[in-house]
Amino acid sequence: SQTIHQWPATLVQPVGSPLSLECTVEGTSNPNLYWYRQAAGRGLQLLFYSVGIGQISSEVPQNLSASRPQDRQFILSSKKLLLSDSGFYLCAWSLRTDSYEQYFGPGTRLTVT
Amino acid sequence: DQQVKQNSPSLSVQEGRISILNCDYTNSMFDYFLWYKKYPAEGPTFLISISSIKDKNEDGRFTVFLNKSAKHLSLHIVPSQPGDSAVYFCAASIQGAQKLVFGQGTRLTINP
Repeated sequence: SQTIHQWPATLVQPVGSPLSLECTVEGTSNPNLYWYRQAAGRGLQLLFYSVGIGQISSEVPQNLSASRPQDRQFILSSKKLLLSDSGFYLCAWSLRTDSYEQYFGPGTRLTVT
Repeated sequence: DQQVKQNSPSLSVQEGRISILNCDYTNSMFDYFLWYKKYPAEGPTFLISISSIKDKNEDGRFTVFLNKSAKHLSLHIVPSQPGDSAVYFCAASIQGAQKLVFGQGTRLTINP
């Protein structure tokens, strides 16, 4: 069966510091991968998605970037965090074709102080 | 531009009664709709979905209804149980787009 991992579970970082969140998927090949953010009291905002290694689509211009160095690895980064980057970050995967369902990881709670 | 809207931020229902969560969309190109359930500090879990070629899909206590002419879908939970207390998100997609558009979520509270 497929499993998705995210780490760390929680993170407190000062403004201006760098960020790296990692997501890995097990049990499937060639997945689509997604990064979402849920700000306090808000819905799920799609940040980035990837349909293959090195292929990244950005949905919202912002202080963040994403990379996919391996088929089942998706990384969310920032060079300098802003207070507005605080939120709950979720990674998700889906099958490459003929499937709409996405499956989410446990999330990372990021607090920028 | 909010293409998928859940206009009720919260809903409170008595245990054993029916819970009805609503979702409206504006893009007539959406052809697949999903409901997710989310507990605090956890990732959302897929609940039920419906294709635009159907108007109803049922899975146990959960039924999703789709009214394409009104661009409206709803999730019915019968009977409601305390474990159903969570935030529910509806989402929509277009074939080939490979991404979902989510609503803002509705917090459902089931009272004993």
